[in-house]
Amino acid sequence: AQKITQTQPGMFVQEKEAVTLDCTYDTSDQSYGLFWYKQPSSGEMIFLIYQGSYDEQNATEGRYSLNFQKARKSANLVISASQLGDSAMYFCAMKRHSSASKIIFGSGTRLSIRP
Amino acid sequence: ETGVTQSPTHLIKTRGQQVTLRCSSQSGHNTVSWYQQALGQGPQFIFQYYREEENGRGNFPPRFSGLQFPNYSSELNVNALELDDSALYLCASSLEASGAREQFFGPGTRLTVL
Repeated sequence: AQKITQTQPGMFVQEKEAVTLDCTYDTSDQSYGLFWYKQPSSGEMIFLIYQGSYDEQNATEGRYSLNFQKARKSANLVISASQLGDSAMYFCAMKRHSSASKIIFGSGTRLSIRP
Repeated sequence: ETGVTQSPTHLIKTRGQQVTLRCSSQSGHNTVSWYQQALGQGPQFIFQYYREEENGRGNFPPRFSGLQFPNYSSELNVNALELDDSALYLCASSLEASGAREQFFGPGTRLTVL
C-alpha cells in the first residue's frame, strides 16, 4: 500500500528565511510521481511542484525545490526566501503512473511565516 | 482558459438527507476526480471519472456515487448523510490522455451535516 508521512504538524519561520518541509513515502511501485500542494485558508489546493520517480535531477519551480532522495524515500520541499503569503497548509502527495489518477496525500504541515 | 469550478461553495444538511455537489472541469480536461477532506486531514480519494465512466474508487461506501456528463462536468451524490460526512469536498480535473502529472483543483464545497 502507498503511504505519505509528514511528521511536522506545524512550523514557524521568519520571513525571508528558507524552510524545509519533510515528506517520506512508502510504495512498492517503480514508477510514480511526487507532488507538493499548498492549501490556503480558502481551501483550494494549489499545485507547487512535481518530481517523477525516474527524474534524475531535483525539480525546481521558482522559489520551490524538491529534495528527492529515492533510496531514503524522501521528497522534502524547500522554500527559499519565505514570504508572508507562504503561510498555509502544505501537502505532500504521491500518484502511481497508472490509469486512475488517484493521489495519496499526507496529513499536511501548517507553515506560518513571521514578519 | 477557465479553471475548475464547484458549486455550491457551502452547504448545510441534516442527517439522512441527500446532497448533490457539482464540478465543472478545466477546459479541455476529460477526467474528474473527487476527494473528501475532513477537518485537519489530507484529502482522501473518493472516485474518478474518465470519459463518463467510473475509473477507480477509494474506500468509500456505495452511498457515495457520481456522474460525468458529455461536457466532462461531474456530480458527486451522497445519500443518507451522516455526521462524519461533514468535510470539504474537492474536485480535480486533468487531461488523462496526455498522462498529465497535474490535477487542477477547484475551490471546494464545504458540507456541514447537522
